[in-house]
Amino acid sequence: GQSLEQPSEVTAVEGAIVQINCTYQTSGFYGLSWYQQHDGGAPTFLSYNALDGLEETGRFSSFLSRSDSYGYLLLQELQMKDSASYFCAVRSRSSYNQGGKLIFGQGTELSVKP
Amino acid sequence: DTGVSQNPRHKITKRGQNVTFRCDPISEHNRLYWYRQTLGQGPEFLTYFQNEAQLEKSRLLSDRFSAERPKGSFSTLEIQRTEQGDSAMYLCASSLATGPNQPQHFGDGTRLSIL
Repeated sequence: GQSLEQPSEVTAVEGAIVQINCTYQTSGFYGLSWYQQHDGGAPTFLSYNALDGLEETGRFSSFLSRSDSYGYLLLQELQMKDSASYFCAVRSRSSYNQGGKLIFGQGTELSVKP
Repeated sequence: DTGVSQNPRHKITKRGQNVTFRCDPISEHNRLYWYRQTLGQGPEFLTYFQNEAQLEKSRLLSDRFSAERPKGSFSTLEIQRTEQGDSAMYLCASSLATGPNQPQHFGDGTRLSIL
């Protein structure tokens, strides 16, 4: 089967740095994605890691270790608007061959306090 | 690029009624996905199209659910004889078919409430 685990809630203050971890189990692996979702809104793509290491996009970075089946999303210089749910998602190799459906974690609700 | 559009945004109906949702993907995207999301959970995959062909269906998709993409552009998701457990947000996403790193772009969803 396939499953992903991430913390349900994280709280941080404006200007701080926060890390949201994700561990996964999958029968095949073809990349870890991160999505942001504000209340009532659409999930929005943030980043994708296919290989080990760190990918940086502005204030957001994402890390992957395939040997540990582990990744994280790092948010720097937190702003109030970063308060949202963050989802990690995997594409399994088998699903890639069929079009790349995503398997999502349950999400981490990030609350940024002033 | 006008994004993925879903209609209606909200649907309230009585148990046992049929409902249909529409999704208009980003115009050049040939892959279209349907997901379902309940409160406090991540989106769950329902089905997927490449152009007009429905290539994969989740076991979550019972016989009461049917999806079409007749001309490889917009898609519809129909739920027949709705049940309380069908209450959820139904999300549509689209992507290019050029590789696994292509992100899926989601619409704002249709929130279904069964009375």
